[in-house]
Amino acid sequence: LAKTTQPISMDSYEGQEVNITCSHNNIATNDYITWYQQFPSQGPRFIIQGYKTKVTNEVASLFIPADRKSSTLSLPRVSLSDTAVYYCLVGASGNTGKLIFGQGTTLQVKP
Amino acid sequence: GAVVSQHPSRVICKSGTSVKIECRSLDFQATTMFWYRQFPKQSLMLMATSNEGSKATYEQGVEKDKFLINHASLTLSTLTVTSAHPEDSSFYICSAIRTSGGEYEQYFGPGTRLTVT
Repeated sequence: LAKTTQPISMDSYEGQEVNITCSHNNIATNDYITWYQQFPSQGPRFIIQGYKTKVTNEVASLFIPADRKSSTLSLPRVSLSDTAVYYCLVGASGNTGKLIFGQGTTLQVKP
Repeated sequence: GAVVSQHPSRVICKSGTSVKIECRSLDFQATTMFWYRQFPKQSLMLMATSNEGSKATYEQGVEKDKFLINHASLTLSTLTVTSAHPEDSSFYICSAIRTSGGEYEQYFGPGTRLTVT
């Protein structure tokens, strides 16, 4: 399973766009990239998943360069409620298999 | 959307006793479920893979005789912490795999806070 590296923490202000980059140099050909959000004392919540290029949904965008050795989660116009820990994970066949969580990025959104 | 529940949400037990935590997939069948443990300010640590109808697969360093996993049906997996000790106090989270139209999605439960006194 590919190891991921993310910044430990990030600060932002309400209304700003936040980009969190994850490195996964050893990603395998059949690995997908998935991002989860976790609030204190809650289970992780799925945000977005992608394989290559760009994926966008109602809450975020995921940018994946051609070499797939990194990915960037983009959160548009964050609010205080986006303060959470964000995890980047890579694994085969999307969510089929076990996920190994890295340290995650603690995002603090300030007013 | 798919929902995974856990019961209880929090439990306090005395040292030496056993505690059972349930993980249920509420609107889908899950042949595979996972159990994680999370200590304060730390990331989730995968403990084991629970497969319906077969023995669980434990991650390295996780004692299978201490953390008993039973996946007796397609919607229920249980984790029993046997002879619990204060160091077993943690946040236990399960997840379940749902397959739909050839796609696979993993959903996490809300977690169970275990405190051993």
